[in-house]
Amino acid sequence: QKEVEQDPGPLSVPEGAIVSLNCTYSNSAFQYFMWYRQYSRKGPELLMYTYSSGNKEDGRFTAQVDKSSKYISLFIRDSQPSDSATYLCAGKSQAGTALIFGKGTTLSVSS
Amino acid sequence: NAGVMQNPRHLVRRRGQEARLRCSPMKGHSHVYWYRQLPEEGLKFMVYLQKENIIDESGMPKERFSAEFPKEGPSILRIQQVVRGDSAAYFCASSPVANTEAFFGQGTRLTVV
Repeated sequence: QKEVEQDPGPLSVPEGAIVSLNCTYSNSAFQYFMWYRQYSRKGPELLMYTYSSGNKEDGRFTAQVDKSSKYISLFIRDSQPSDSATYLCAGKSQAGTALIFGKGTTLSVSS
Repeated sequence: NAGVMQNPRHLVRRRGQEARLRCSPMKGHSHVYWYRQLPEEGLKFMVYLQKENIIDESGMPKERFSAEFPKEGPSILRIQQVVRGDSAAYFCASSPVANTEAFFGQGTRLTVV
């Protein structure tokens, strides 16, 4: 089992939809969780950073971490065509040195 | 405040040549991470460095690959005697301290011909 798993998609939604992106992870030591957005042939851009369980909101984006089920989510409200990208989730333990990434979910928002 | 700077953005090398990839972290950041990304694959950790020290190189191939982060200047990822399988996008990230947000550069796309 891979440490971080994501459905690769593609996920296609109309403009204005609420998008739910999800990851599962296997390492119970993970404490830090991040979501990145990556446009084609660009570097990953940090969207959300959360520590331990709970919710965090930033504009149209909400990150949720449920450590009991080892499940992390990113919600995008009022999705825009500019949100079309690959979304990468990552986890890290307190003692670990590396972020462990999922393979990413490709999102397409049509106008 | 400039972000993480990587150069070159694109690098073409013939088999057997050396590739040098450079990464300047964000101002005030002393932690540098290198990742490799293959098509349809996620980001794979290679090495974690602090100034003048390699902290974790567990993701680095044992041969031909090396990394450094000198007291002055950028971090360097060096690949000796490149092979076609080294063709990938190489990304550098930096953070001010451990266990905080890590910010990525735009990457270097290495093509081995």
